[in-house]
Amino acid sequence: DVKVTQSSRYLVKRTGEKVFLECVQDMDHENMFWYRQDPGLGLRLIYFSYDVKMKEKGDIPEGYSVSREKKERFSLILESASTNQTSMYLCASSFPGGAHYEQYFGPGTRLTVT
Amino acid sequence: AQTVTQSQPEMSVQEAETVTLSCTYDTSENNYYLFWYKQPPSRQMILVIRQEAYKQQNATENRFSVNFQKAAKSFSLKISDSQLGDTAMYFCAFMTLTGNQFYFGTGTSLTVIP
Repeated sequence: DVKVTQSSRYLVKRTGEKVFLECVQDMDHENMFWYRQDPGLGLRLIYFSYDVKMKEKGDIPEGYSVSREKKERFSLILESASTNQTSMYLCASSFPGGAHYEQYFGPGTRLTVT
Repeated sequence: AQTVTQSQPEMSVQEAETVTLSCTYDTSENNYYLFWYKQPPSRQMILVIRQEAYKQQNATENRFSVNFQKAAKSFSLKISDSQLGDTAMYFCAFMTLTGNQFYFGTGTSLTVIP
């Protein structure tokens, strides 16, 4: 089974702190994604990566950056956390093609910024 | 631009009954994939069912089936013989073959009532 893990299930940080959210997948997927999930807004794409050291902005990249130094790991960075970044963050991975295009999700990190 | 609309924020169904969740999408692409994902309370998002746009036959997975109307850009999910474990948030998602991005709806929260 594909496994996508995220470093923390719950995280509480203070305004202005630098925050790192880590995601690791074990299926050699080329593509990795970071979403934030908010009630009534669904999942919104922050960044995605289709290869090591490659990244593309999603719909809401402001206030975030990412790093992909190894194929299996994709990090989301909040350079200076703000209260409006309190949310659920979901990581996902997928193959870029083939018979199965679906994304596999991690368990999520619920981040609270106070 | 691709958009996915789920017009039913919340739904409920009696155990053992059938329920249909609605999803419409907008795209100018001809080839794409559609998905329904399930997110149980405090648990990981998992794929329920997928549909390839070039296939006329509606996909089925045990108690889950879809009604795919390509011309109407409609992709509804039918859950038969609803079970308590079906209680979850359900997301409709769309992916074009020209990119690796998914587009998600805002979700429908389904409660199965004993």
